[in-house]
Amino acid sequence: RKEVEQDPGPFNVPEGATVAFNCTYSNSASQSFFWYRQDCRKEPKLLMSVYSSGNEDGRFTAQLNRASQYISLLIRDSKLSDSATYLCVVNGMDSSYKLIFGSGTRLLVRP
Amino acid sequence: NAGVTQTPKFRVLKTGQSMTLLCAQDMNHEYMYWYRQDPGMGLRLIHYSVGEGTTAKGEVPDGYNVSRLKKQNFLLGLESAAPSQTSVYFCASSTGRQINQPQHFGDGTRLSIL
Repeated sequence: RKEVEQDPGPFNVPEGATVAFNCTYSNSASQSFFWYRQDCRKEPKLLMSVYSSGNEDGRFTAQLNRASQYISLLIRDSKLSDSATYLCVVNGMDSSYKLIFGSGTRLLVRP
Repeated sequence: NAGVTQTPKFRVLKTGQSMTLLCAQDMNHEYMYWYRQDPGMGLRLIHYSVGEGTTAKGEVPDGYNVSRLKKQNFLLGLESAAPSQTSVYFCASSTGRQINQPQHFGDGTRLSIL
């Protein structure tokens, strides 16, 4: 089993739609959780950290379910500029500073 | 506001050649990392460093060496390039051991080995 698993997609949605991605992780002791965004042929960029109580940043909401070991990202009112690959990231089994990156979920927002 | 800078951006090598990729960060971060990213796969950690003068192996270290002589620089070396090392290489840095410390990435080096 991969340490971090994501549905590769693509998710193809119209502008204005709400879309949700899930991610599961295998290390029950993980303490650091992030969503990164990666545009085609670009570097990963931090979208948001994920906190135990859930957190929101504008149109983006992240949730953490420790019991089921999954993380979710909800994007409301999708924009064309949201088209990208979204990477779920969790710290590794042996440290807080070594991060494990999922393979990513691709989102395509169409006009 | 440079952040993490990687050089070169692109390179084509022949099998058996050697080269060094340079990563420089201006955020005074203690920790630095080298990853490779291949199609359909997530980022894989090659080597990392938790401070000046220290290095450690990651998930896929074979065929690579690293050095961290200065806090702001982390070098990745390929001693004898192989076609399997064709990839996009990303350098990243972070502040330290605390939880919820994200990594900040350079814009990558695209390396092709013929």
